[in-house]
Amino acid sequence: AQKITQTQPGMFVQEKEAVTLDCTYDTSDPSYGLFWYKQPSSGEMIFLIYQGSYDQQNATEGRYSLNFQKARKSANLVISASQLGDSAMYFCAMRNNTGGFKTIFGAGTRLFVKA
Amino acid sequence: SQTIHQWPATLVQPVGSPLSLECTVEGTSNPNLYWYRQAAGRGLQLLFYSVGIGQISSEVPQNLSASRPQDRQFILSSKKLLLSDSGFYLCAGGGGLDYGYTFGSGTRLTVV
Repeated sequence: AQKITQTQPGMFVQEKEAVTLDCTYDTSDPSYGLFWYKQPSSGEMIFLIYQGSYDQQNATEGRYSLNFQKARKSANLVISASQLGDSAMYFCAMRNNTGGFKTIFGAGTRLFVKA
Repeated sequence: SQTIHQWPATLVQPVGSPLSLECTVEGTSNPNLYWYRQAAGRGLQLLFYSVGIGQISSEVPQNLSASRPQDRQFILSSKKLLLSDSGFYLCAGGGGLDYGYTFGSGTRLTVV
């Protein structure tokens, strides 16, 4: 069965510093996608970054990068130069690439950025 | 680009009353559509998904049902709400192979 695990319920980071949010996953499918989403207090879900299971290089999007270690089944999100507006819930997610492209989500990590 | 419209933003309903939440899609045709529920402080649970008109797959047996009467319309329903149906309901549209979902703004449902 597919599973996403986020072991950090909450994280604190000083403004302008980098922070890593952990994510491990489990799947028997060879083809899958890994995602990170941000959920501010308003409740909206914002797609941040994508990594395909066959991608050789780690994905980057602006201040976000995904540290993909396939053998360890981890897909950690790195946020560089944290900003106060980065304070939010962050969800790691995995999508299978068959049967409706369903996505499962982890329990989330709440990030607090301190001034 | 794809936009997901979802309403209402908040809803308070008594136990035993019916429910109908509507989600409409703008900017794309024949999208995969999804209904998720989020309990307070928790992750998202997939409830239903649809790959086309009239095609509904249920992920979790429950008091809810879904329908897709038109290509860009996805409806979540219940005949009789339970207290346990309270939560934050999100509609999402498939973003393509290398892109994430587009989510609606969500409906916060409280069953009293």
